[in-house]
Amino acid sequence: GAVVSQHPSWVICKSGTSVKIECRSLDFQATTMFWYRQFPKQSLMLMATSNEGSKATYEQGVEKDKFLINHASLTLSTLTVTSAHPEDSSFYICSAPTSGRLNEQFFGPGTRLTVL
Amino acid sequence: GQSLEQPSEVTAVEGAIVQINCTYQTSGFYGLSWYQQHDGGAPTFLSYNGLDGLEETGRFSSFLSRSDSYGYLLLQELQMKDSASYFCAVRDSNYQLIWGAGTKLIIKP
Repeated sequence: GAVVSQHPSWVICKSGTSVKIECRSLDFQATTMFWYRQFPKQSLMLMATSNEGSKATYEQGVEKDKFLINHASLTLSTLTVTSAHPEDSSFYICSAPTSGRLNEQFFGPGTRLTVL
Repeated sequence: GQSLEQPSEVTAVEGAIVQINCTYQTSGFYGLSWYQQHDGGAPTFLSYNGLDGLEETGRFSSFLSRSDSYGYLLLQELQMKDSASYFCAVRDSNYQLIWGAGTKLIIKP
């Protein structure tokens, strides 16, 4: 099946710093990628839809100036959490559908962010 | 609003069969999917139903009734490794997924 990677798998940072998370489709091209956030024992919350070559579409309530998304190529989307605060600590996961299997999303392994 | 309802927790015995139900109320419907997520891991795709009926993949089966806005995931011959959270999700026209809150499946020996 299709493979999506994320880097880093976990990160600990001080409050006020910025953190960049990369999401790569390794064996397919992804014109669309989705970024989710998941708090412990909760469901996935869609943050934004990343579109290659255009601006990301953010869900209501998600600050686009705080969560910067860049989808510069067909295999890479990045999420930057700017000026991170403890309340941003969460599990961030990206996913992408493939052109041949549009009804199946492939998820990256996730990035656990802890802001001190 | 849009919502998917599924039980928060289900307990079953190893070797048994368990069914996890999902009812949905969404503005658009392009299919019902099921994902499995182990603690600390990312979701993995299990099945997709675009049309009414039963889809079978090994020990797992999924059913959909669009007229009832209802579906279920059936897990047979339960194994301890099946202990995980299971999410139903409805796909919209933009390939986004609207997620249920998840069902934690606890399997006892």
